[in-house]
Amino acid sequence: NAGVTQTPKFRILKIGQSMTLQCTQDMNHNYMYWYRQDPGMGLKLIYYSVGAGITDKGEVPNGYNVSRSTTEDFPLRLELAAPSQTSVYFCASSYSSSARETGELFFGEGSRLTVL
Amino acid sequence: AQSVTQLGSHVSVSEGALVLLRCNYSSSVPPYLFWYVQYPNQGLQLLLKYTSAATLVKGINGFEAEFKKSETSFHLTKPSAHMSDAAEYFCAVSGSGGYQKVTFGTGTKLQVIP
Repeated sequence: NAGVTQTPKFRILKIGQSMTLQCTQDMNHNYMYWYRQDPGMGLKLIYYSVGAGITDKGEVPNGYNVSRSTTEDFPLRLELAAPSQTSVYFCASSYSSSARETGELFFGEGSRLTVL
Repeated sequence: AQSVTQLGSHVSVSEGALVLLRCNYSSSVPPYLFWYVQYPNQGLQLLLKYTSAATLVKGINGFEAEFKKSETSFHLTKPSAHMSDAAEYFCAVSGSGGYQKVTFGTGTKLQVIP
């Protein structure tokens, strides 16, 4: 059971380049999330999804886009990379049978992105 | 809006001493509260979760937390620290704005001194 898998683990981008961080989960979880982690700032929610075809903005969505075409996959797209997007990105998933419950978040190992 | 405040970005304890990591929350609805742990170069793992079933919540590795509504607190404790407890700990809340939006605190790095 692989859990949540993120690729790539490391990437260096030049300013203005674009890239996609891949995330896939094999636990049949309905909810998926993208967070960024910066030193001393904790985790900030970028986007989340409550199911295939449904996504919503978190606290810091500017400069990012997501899609959820399948239950398993939740890619994060960075358009026109900027130095402010240098961070560690975590994908997570959870299961909940009710919209009024919060399931345990299962995290990937992270993707470290540097924009120069 | 919901939020959590973790007091102390760094905490040092001696091996065998009590561990106390502080978390205060803000939520306009009855919250779900969590503690997660992050070891170096890894993702976060759930330590424990409060869902209103019981105010004292026991988690993995001997950790527990007590929900105090009057103080809006959810502090994490462990009676005796082990070297393996050295990690970063995050408090998190969900509820206001939707139960699927989980908001994390800024984290507390725990150092255990032999």
